[in-house]
Amino acid sequence: GAVVSQHPSRVICKSGTSVKIECRSLDFQATTMFWYRQFPKKSLMLMATSNEGSKATYEQGVEKDKFLINHASLTLSTLTVTSAHPEDSSFYICSARRQGNNSPLHFGNGTRLTVT
Amino acid sequence: LAKTTQPISMDSYEGQEVNITCSHNNIATNDYITWYQQFPSQGPRFIIQGYKTKVTNEVASLFIPADRKSSTLSLPRVSLSDTAVYYCLVGTGDDKIIFGKGTRLHILP
Repeated sequence: GAVVSQHPSRVICKSGTSVKIECRSLDFQATTMFWYRQFPKKSLMLMATSNEGSKATYEQGVEKDKFLINHASLTLSTLTVTSAHPEDSSFYICSARRQGNNSPLHFGNGTRLTVT
Repeated sequence: LAKTTQPISMDSYEGQEVNITCSHNNIATNDYITWYQQFPSQGPRFIIQGYKTKVTNEVASLFIPADRKSSTLSLPRVSLSDTAVYYCLVGTGDDKIIFGKGTRLHILP
C-alpha cells in the first residue's frame, strides 16, 4: 500500500488565491521530504527539499515566497502555492525516504493544480 | 550527482522482454542505481535498486557491469500495462534526487 499520502489529488482555484498541498509519510518518519513539479510530457523538476524543523532548501529559480513549504512534524510537509496564477498550473508531487542507507524514495500520487 | 542518459523512447510488443539501458559514466563509489516507473498523472513508483552485478525482484531485473558506468533494466514478458516512463537515477541516500528525461516505453498489442 501507499507509504506516502498526498492530498488533495486535484484542485481548481481562481487566480490570486492560495492552495495548500499536504504530504504525509504514513508508516515512517521523514526528516526530509522533496517537492517536485511536472509539466505535461516532461520529467519531474525538483522544487525544494523540505527539512523537518528548519527552513526548506529551494532549487535555483524557485521562488520561496511563492511556494511556501512547512515541515512541522516528522510525518507531514505542506506546500502552499500563494497568489496562484495560471502559469502555476501543474502536477505537484512530493516524496520521502525512509531512514537507512540508500533507501529509495517513496512518492505521493501527485496533486493536479489548475488555476483559472 | 551522476548524470544519466537513457533512450528517449522505446516500443515493444506484448510478451517480449524489454531492456532499457542507462549510462552513468560519472557514477561515484557510494552511488546506488535506482529505477522508477511513472504512469500518467501518478507519482513515480520504485521498481528496483542495485549497486553491482545483478539484482532481481518480482517485477524486474537490473544488470550492472563491473565498471558500473551503465545499467540495464530488464522487464520480462511485458504487457500493455507496462506502458510508462522509466527513470534511471544514481546517488546515495543523502542525495536529493534529480530526475533525467526518462524513457517512454510504449507496449504494442
